[in-house]
Amino acid sequence: ELKVEQNPLFLSMQEGKNYTIYCNYSTTSDRLYWYRQDPGKSLESLFVLLSNGAVKQEGRLMASLDTKARLSTLHITAAVHDLSATYFCAGASDYQLIWGAGTKLIIKP
Amino acid sequence: EAQVTQNPRYLITVTGKKLTVTCSQNMNHEYMSWYRQDPGLGLRQIYYSMNVEVTDKGDVPEGYKVSRKEKRNFPLILESPSPNQTSLYFCASRRDQGRVVTEAFFGQGTRLTVV
Repeated sequence: ELKVEQNPLFLSMQEGKNYTIYCNYSTTSDRLYWYRQDPGKSLESLFVLLSNGAVKQEGRLMASLDTKARLSTLHITAAVHDLSATYFCAGASDYQLIWGAGTKLIIKP
Repeated sequence: EAQVTQNPRYLITVTGKKLTVTCSQNMNHEYMSWYRQDPGLGLRQIYYSMNVEVTDKGDVPEGYKVSRKEKRNFPLILESPSPNQTSLYFCASRRDQGRVVTEAFFGQGTRLTVV
C-alpha cells in the first residue's frame, strides 16, 4: 500500500530565501503530482513528474523526482509572498491518487 | 471553460436534516471522487466513481452516500448529517486511462457546518 509523507508540514520563511519541501513515498508510484491550495480555495495542479530524474520548473518553483530514493522535492527559489499556500504531493497507485498531508508555507516580507 | 462545479459553496444546516451537495464536470471525465479536508488531516477520500453506475468507498465513507446516474454528475448525499461532518468538501474529476492515474481537477469546495 502506497503511503506518502511530506515534510515539513509547516514552514515559515522570509522573502528572498530558498527552501525545499520533501515528499517521500513508500512503494512504487507511477507518477508524482504537486498541487497548490490557497487558503479556503480549491486545489490547482502544478506539476506531474513521470520518470526518474524528471525535473519541472515554473517561475520560482522547481519539482524533481528520484524514483530510486522514492523522493520528490519542491524547491522554492527566492521566495515571494505570493507563493504562500499549502502544497500537496500525491502519488499514484491502484487507480488512486494517494495524498500527502500538505505543507503549509508562509512567506513573510 | 473546463471546470468542476460544486453547489452550494457554503452551507449551514442542523443535525439530521438531509442534504445534497452537487458536483458537475464538463470534461467528459470517467472518474469522479469526493474528498473532505479537515485541519491537520489533509485530504481524505469519501467515495469515488470510475464510471456511470460504478461507485466505491474511499477511506471515510461512513455517513455519506453517492450516486452516478450520469457521467457529468456525482452528488454527495448526507442522509442524517452530524456535527462531525462539518468540513470542507471537494469534488474532483479526471480521465480514466486504466492504470495510469491522470491529473485530477477540483471543484471550488463546499464548506459545510452542521450544528
